[in-house]
Amino acid sequence: DAGVIQSPRHEVTEMGQEVTLRCKPISGHNSLFWYRQTMMRGLELLIYFNNNVPIDDSGMPEDRFSAKMPNASFSTLKIQPSEPRDSAVYFCASSLLGQGEDQPQHFGDGTRLSIL
Amino acid sequence: KQEVTQIPAALSVPEGENLVLNCSFTDSAIYNLQWFRQDPGKGLTSLLLIQSSQREQTSGRLNASLDKSSGRSTLYIAASQPGDSATYLCAVRPYNQGGKLIFGQGTELSVKP
Repeated sequence: DAGVIQSPRHEVTEMGQEVTLRCKPISGHNSLFWYRQTMMRGLELLIYFNNNVPIDDSGMPEDRFSAKMPNASFSTLKIQPSEPRDSAVYFCASSLLGQGEDQPQHFGDGTRLSIL
Repeated sequence: KQEVTQIPAALSVPEGENLVLNCSFTDSAIYNLQWFRQDPGKGLTSLLLIQSSQREQTSGRLNASLDKSSGRSTLYIAASQPGDSATYLCAVRPYNQGGKLIFGQGTELSVKP
């Protein structure tokens, strides 16, 4: 089992540029989660998908953020245009929900994003 | 609104000590509570998941308890080792919020040799 795979691991870009973060969930998992982690706010859920459908996007900061899950094995989180306050570590996690008892969420190693 | 609090924010102990990390939550309407470990520069690793109907879960030197009525959970680590040094986070999955987890801010544990 390869685990949740995120790319890139690090991204440094200038303010105003478009940023795309990628995630490959664990095969067989039906739910995918995007989180953001900062020192000030801790770990916050941005959006999550169930069976490739966005279920809760209430954590998405504003219209500059968008997420897609075109199929069960791939998701993207896009920021356009990026701003310095978007600098954070972005995590993707996946899990199997709704099949009896909950299974733990499995996290990727994250993308460390710096907007200059 | 569900809030999760972890105390203390940081803890330093000598190797070999038994220790307890605390987690409290404001709303008892939860499906489960999970404990995670985070190493620097890494993602979260799930340690234990306690369903709302359970009182505790054990894995090796780790034991987690859940008291829903009082809104508390503890993570007990027996015979601590330097390799246990990491940040430990607890999270609850509330009712009526789908698969969403609400996280505490974490306890940073340092085990000194």
